[in-house]
Amino acid sequence: AQSVTQLDSQVPVFEEAPVELRCNYSSSVSVYLFWYVQYPNQGLQLLLKYLSGSTLVKGINGFEAEFNKSQTSFHLRKPSVHISDTAEYFCAVSGGATNKLIFGTGTLLAVQP
Amino acid sequence: EAGVAQSPRYKIIEKRQSVAFWCNPISGHATLYWYQQILGQGPKLLIQFQNNGVVDDSQLPKDRFSAERLKGVDSTLKIQPAKLEDSAVYLCASSPPMEDTQYFGPGTRLTVL
Repeated sequence: AQSVTQLDSQVPVFEEAPVELRCNYSSSVSVYLFWYVQYPNQGLQLLLKYLSGSTLVKGINGFEAEFNKSQTSFHLRKPSVHISDTAEYFCAVSGGATNKLIFGTGTLLAVQP
Repeated sequence: EAGVAQSPRYKIIEKRQSVAFWCNPISGHATLYWYQQILGQGPKLLIQFQNNGVVDDSQLPKDRFSAERLKGVDSTLKIQPAKLEDSAVYLCASSPPMEDTQYFGPGTRLTVL
């Protein structure tokens, strides 16, 4: 069975500061990894994904994530955040025959001026 | 390209009533998913369709939930009768053939009183 752990339910940060949102996963099969962002009252938007190849993945809005197989992690980073980055961020894993997404519980990124 | 469409956006009903949600996926997307997102949690897959066939409905409470995807395009999700714990956002997503990325609609927020 697959699972995803997002250790931080909320991450407060000041504008223009760097941020890292943590994600750890467990799986007995090869996985694909995703980060989605959810703005208030909206659906989920794909930020970036790791399918194979380079372990450093770049996404939209200046975000990037690094796949670390030995630590089973896929942490999301941004060197300088903006107020508009305030949102809920979900890490997800898929693998196996159906490509079902298993989501973490989410991390609220709260950017303060 | 038009995104995934869902309606209604909001619905308030009393317990034991029935409710139905509608989803129109992105054109050409063969796979359609329904997720339930309870407040403070990540989305949980309820059912996955490949064209008009069910791939995975292992987490669908079949005593009260039903879903169909006639003609392999639009889909409806029904709850009958609703319970208080069904209060959640119901998200529809779709993905194109041979691709792992899921594209999400804006969701339907259901409140059961």
